[in-house]
Amino acid sequence: GQNIDQPTEMTATEGAIVQINCTYQTSGFNGLFWYQQHAGEAPTFLSYNVLDGLEEKGRFSSFLSRSKGYSYLLLKELQMKDSASYLCAVMDSNYQLIWGAGTKLIIKP
Amino acid sequence: DTEVTQTPKHLVMGMTNKKSLKCEQHMGHRAMYWYKQKAKKPPELMFVYSYEKLSINESVPSRFSPECPNSSLLNLHLHALQPEDSALYLCASSPGTGDVQPQHFGDGTRLSIL
Repeated sequence: GQNIDQPTEMTATEGAIVQINCTYQTSGFNGLFWYQQHAGEAPTFLSYNVLDGLEEKGRFSSFLSRSKGYSYLLLKELQMKDSASYLCAVMDSNYQLIWGAGTKLIIKP
Repeated sequence: DTEVTQTPKHLVMGMTNKKSLKCEQHMGHRAMYWYKQKAKKPPELMFVYSYEKLSINESVPSRFSPECPNSSLLNLHLHALQPEDSALYLCASSPGTGDVQPQHFGDGTRLSIL
């Protein structure tokens, strides 16, 4: 079966660093994508990994280990506007996105 | 600003009405998608178009009818919807269905069925 796990909710402090983990078991793997979604809005693409390792994009980085079926999204220098849901999605062997349930991130001052 | 434009942003309709959702992209993408998203849930794939042809229909009820008039436009025709169809409807596009590239989403249409 297809399974993607992420924590339901996380809390972090403004200015700090937070790591959101994602583990997956899917029928094939072509890549892993991270999206940010503010309440009532559309998902916004953040980062993706095809090969193992770290991809850095400004304050956001994403890491992938295919052998472990594991990825994380790292957010640095947290800002209040980073309060949102973060969705992990795996592109399977049919090039379709399999979505995790999302992690709600709450930033406190 | 999103490069995928959806209209209308909000739609309220009765169960006997017929309406259409529209989506437009000018990024030269050849794959376009319709998703349905309920509150606090991830997007749920409905349809995929590749080079203007329907390539995937995820067993969506016939009261939802997609149409792709050209490579930049995607419509979703709605008829005789049920209250449980109330949701955020998202359009997305990507360079191609066989490419490992991100999908880019429009702002969505929030649909309420009375």
